[in-house]
Amino acid sequence: NAGVTQTPKFQVLKTGQSMTLQCAQDMNHEYMSWYRQDPGMGLRLIHYSVGAGITDQGEVPNGYNVSRSTTEDFPLRLLSAAPSQTSVYFCASSYFRNMNTEAFFGQGTRLTVV
Amino acid sequence: GENVEQHPSTLSVQEGDSAVIKCTYSDSASNYFPWYKQELGKGPQLIIDIRSNVGEKKDQRIAVTLNKTAKHFSLHITETQPEDSAVYFCAALSYNTDKLIFGTGTRLQVFP
Repeated sequence: NAGVTQTPKFQVLKTGQSMTLQCAQDMNHEYMSWYRQDPGMGLRLIHYSVGAGITDQGEVPNGYNVSRSTTEDFPLRLLSAAPSQTSVYFCASSYFRNMNTEAFFGQGTRLTVV
Repeated sequence: GENVEQHPSTLSVQEGDSAVIKCTYSDSASNYFPWYKQELGKGPQLIIDIRSNVGEKKDQRIAVTLNKTAKHFSLHITETQPEDSAVYFCAALSYNTDKLIFGTGTRLQVFP
């Protein structure tokens, strides 16, 4: 059972480049989300999805796009990378509105924008 | 909007002592309060959680308390061990917005 898989683990981008961070889960979880982690600021919610075809904005959505075409996948797109997007990104998944709402996190993607 | 404040940001204790981390949430529609432990280079992992219809929950050396009126919840670790050293995050899930909002984290160091 792989759980939540994020790729890549590390990435260096130049300012203005675009890229997609991949996230896949094999637990049939309806709820998926993306967080960024910066020193002293904890985990901040970027976007989340409560099911295929449904996405919504979190606390810090600017500069990021998401889509949810399948239950398993929830990619995060940076359209034009900026140095302020240098961070560690985590994807998480859980059941939705269920008694078992534990969120499972991936191992993270460390992104550096130069 | 939703906000979760967490204190302290760092906490150093001697092995065997207790550690307490406190959080405050702003959204009165929050009904689920998990605590996560993050070890270096890894993603956060759930260690304990509590729902709004319960005031306290224990699991061996860790316990969580919730005061809904004051919008406070706390993590208590007793008989701390060096392997408890990590970053701990509290979070609150709102049934209105479906957002899981995290606190800023507490770096716990347990010295032998």
